[in-house]
Amino acid sequence: KNQVEQSPQSLIILEGKNCTLQCNYTVSPFSNLRWYKQDTGRGPVSLTIMTFSENTKSNGRYTATLDADTKQSSLHITASQLSDSASYICVVSPTFSGGYNKLIFGAGTRLAVHP
Amino acid sequence: KAGVTQTPRYLIKTRGQQVTLSCSPISGHRSVSWYQQTPGQGLQFLFEYFSETQRNKGNFPGRFSGRQFSNSRSEMNVSTLELGDSALYLCASSLGDRDTYEQYFGPGTRLTVT
Repeated sequence: KNQVEQSPQSLIILEGKNCTLQCNYTVSPFSNLRWYKQDTGRGPVSLTIMTFSENTKSNGRYTATLDADTKQSSLHITASQLSDSASYICVVSPTFSGGYNKLIFGAGTRLAVHP
Repeated sequence: KAGVTQTPRYLIKTRGQQVTLSCSPISGHRSVSWYQQTPGQGLQFLFEYFSETQRNKGNFPGRFSGRQFSNSRSEMNVSTLELGDSALYLCASSLGDRDTYEQYFGPGTRLTVT
């Protein structure tokens, strides 16, 4: 069964520190992987999207990496800020140009940045 | 360019009632997808509309329905509400109906069923 698992479930870090969130998937075939940031009570906002052939993608202080061989992705946040407190969701597309019904969502990692 | 808007933002209903949620996509976007988000299940796909046609439907009972109008605005309806329908309902719009197009999410409608 196609799955997307994220770890840790939750994380607390101090402002200014770096952190890395993990996403492991068993989806096959695999087309692309996205990371979303979701503030409490708001809709998800796209951070990065990587195709199966890409290894890394950056968006400001957010850097996503992808290892298609081990089926692992990570999201690295540099110099965290209080505004980074949110849930981060990993989403995998198992098909090429498939419908949105094919997207597989991870449960998310809830990050809290403390002053 | 204005983002995706959803109305109402918050809603409280009682079991057995029905509810209609509205979504206005980004101007020019023809695809609207609906998702249900709960703490236990995460984001789950409800259905997708493109050019007024339902393209895909998730594994939800027939009590959940939707439609899209010629201006791409979409509504979803839930009839005979159950306690388990309490959730954040998210709408997302995109230019096309394939997942190669970026989806833009609205702020969601928080539905509480008592």
